[in-house]
Amino acid sequence: DVVMTQTPPSLSVAIGQSVSISCKSSQSLVYSDGKTYLHWLLQSSGRSPKRLIYQVSNLDSGVPDRFSGTGSQKDFTLKISRVEAKDLGVYYCAQTTHFPYTFGAGTKLELK
Amino acid sequence: EVQLVESGGGLVQPGSSLKLSCVASGFTFSNYGMNWIRQAPKKGLEWIALIYYDSSNKYYADSVKGRFTISRDNSKNTLYLEMNSLRSEDTAMYYCAKGGAGRYWGQGVMVTVSS
Repeated sequence: DVVMTQTPPSLSVAIGQSVSISCKSSQSLVYSDGKTYLHWLLQSSGRSPKRLIYQVSNLDSGVPDRFSGTGSQKDFTLKISRVEAKDLGVYYCAQTTHFPYTFGAGTKLELK
Repeated sequence: EVQLVESGGGLVQPGSSLKLSCVASGFTFSNYGMNWIRQAPKKGLEWIALIYYDSSNKYYADSVKGRFTISRDNSKNTLYLEMNSLRSEDTAMYYCAKGGAGRYWGQGVMVTVSS
């Protein structure tokens, strides 16, 4: 199975600060079609997860451009600029290149 | 508006069976693969099964293979998860999610396996 390693496990931030979350996979996430199926999700407290970014860097509709995703092969980063209170929660990276699909353990973003 | 509504959860004893449903609306259900993903209490997310749009392919996590069966009825816009030989470690919130990358998720349904 592809192991997704997310760091850090938690982040304390002040509103308006920028943060980055790292996600590293144990195998390349490039599929045979040339695309990389690495995604980022946010689970706010008590809510279902919500996808924010798909295929490394594509923002889902309605997601503000304060969010950005970068990376390739096995090394990926989610950056949040100018953090707002509604950004708090647990962020997960997920890969859907290889079966079984796997998730990172999550990064909890909380207020400082 | 895309909606996914799970049902069928509850408290069951180890070794018993349960069948979850997920009713979809707001999109052409028969065009999309669908997933079941679960989350044990205070834990992270675990993908457990995927079914292609036409049921031609099904994939499972090793933790549920041979015990759980994913299926769908496109005429009813409904996804199913039949769970047999339930264990305490299957206790979790179960979510259905649209598409390979989980663009939309349901609100989840709780399954508790305990004697």
